[in-house]
Amino acid sequence: GESVGLHLPTLSVQEGDNSIINCAYSNSASDYFIWYKQESGKGPQFIIDIRSNMDKRQGQRVTVLLNKTVKHLSLQIAATQPGDSAVYFCAENGDDYKLSFGAGTTVTVRA
Amino acid sequence: DAGITQSPRHKVTETGTPVTLRCHQTENHRYMYWYRQDPGHGLRLIHYSYGVKDTDKGEVSDGYSVSRSKTEDFLLTLESATSSQTSVYFCAISGTSGGQTYEQYFGPGTRLTVT
Repeated sequence: GESVGLHLPTLSVQEGDNSIINCAYSNSASDYFIWYKQESGKGPQFIIDIRSNMDKRQGQRVTVLLNKTVKHLSLQIAATQPGDSAVYFCAENGDDYKLSFGAGTTVTVRA
Repeated sequence: DAGITQSPRHKVTETGTPVTLRCHQTENHRYMYWYRQDPGHGLRLIHYSYGVKDTDKGEVSDGYSVSRSKTEDFLLTLESATSSQTSVYFCAISGTSGGQTYEQYFGPGTRLTVT
């Protein structure tokens, strides 16, 4: 079936630098995408979403970019902080209001 | 945080015993979901509910059953637990409606160990 995946399983970033986390999706019919953050021992936390009629959406220190031509999604985190260390998942919508999740990228922030 | 609680938060049980996990929400959301999370597999959908008494299977439903008798509660039952069901279980809710998908909010998780 269709699946969502992330390009890299791990990302190490210097505190204060910008982070870019990538995600490739394969279902061209998907029209809704979400980024989640999961800290150790906790449930996934909603960060930001984007619908397919947009190519960019900004939140607080985060920006999601959607390139439907190449089916690519990215999450940019500005001025990465130690509290940004976590696993980040992208997800796309499927049938019957379900979401399909990628395996995740572990972000480690170096002091 | 969305009003979602899961109980118990941790459980150790023996192979062959029945186990029920509970998800409770205070958001009055229509959709509820049960996922399991295992290393290397990400989040996989077990069952979901689109209303009281309305449920359907996800991609890894074998060995699991669910019930939803009230809007606020969604129960996941392992009829006879096996070691392969050792995992972290997450409940999620969504206010999806009007033909559009919306974000899902997750509970804190239940860590289940089957010995």
